Amino acid sequence: EAGVAQSPRYKIIEKRQSVAFWCNPISGHATLYWYQQILGQGPKLLIQFQNNGVVDDSQLPKDRFSAERLKGVDSTLKIQPAKLEDSAVYLCASSYSPNTEAFFGQGTRLTVV
Amino acid sequence: AQKVTQAQTEISVVEKEDVTLDCVYETRDTTYYLFWYKQPPSGELVFLIRRNSFDEQNEISGRYSWNFQKSTSSFNFTITASQVVDSAVYFCALSEAWNTDKLIFGTGTRLQVFP
Repeated sequence: EAGVAQSPRYKIIEKRQSVAFWCNPISGHATLYWYQQILGQGPKLLIQFQNNGVVDDSQLPKDRFSAERLKGVDSTLKIQPAKLEDSAVYLCASSYSPNTEAFFGQGTRLTVV
Repeated sequence: AQKVTQAQTEISVVEKEDVTLDCVYETRDTTYYLFWYKQPPSGELVFLIRRNSFDEQNEISGRYSWNFQKSTSSFNFTITASQVVDSAVYFCALSEAWNTDKLIFGTGTRLQVFP
């Protein structure tokens, strides 16, 4: 069974630029999550989708971050414009349904200079 | 507010030693879930265990064991006879019962096992 796929693995951008991350969850998984992991910290949930609907985005900085999951499968997370403090690893995870085990991708490491 | 504290930033052991990773949590909820995840150098988080607040039985899975004590708000993780492949960052996490998908993570403990 293929795991959660994320791309790119690494991205370096200048502050005020825009960036987008892509996530392809495990086939059949209805629930998808985006987490932000700042160096030295644990992951923080940014947004949770159930199919193509948003379940929780209370910790998403909506002035600069946006996410979508248009067809209930793949998802993109966008930052526009990026700030230095956005430097982090962005992890995507998926689960078959809410309250079941979540499987994580390897993440995208973003560096904002 | 919910909070998870992993006071051990980094632990180094030699192979075959036993090692315990500490986790202390804070919550006002009476029903909640506790988790442990492993993050190897490749970056993905690997699920190890989920325990609900009503189940205080200790659990053993191979070389891994977990000790849950509500009286001290702790959920400690022990690796017996550690191996080099156990080297990783280990995260303890807490979730509310009404939304077990919203995990509050600790800052992690980096375990290095030397041959």
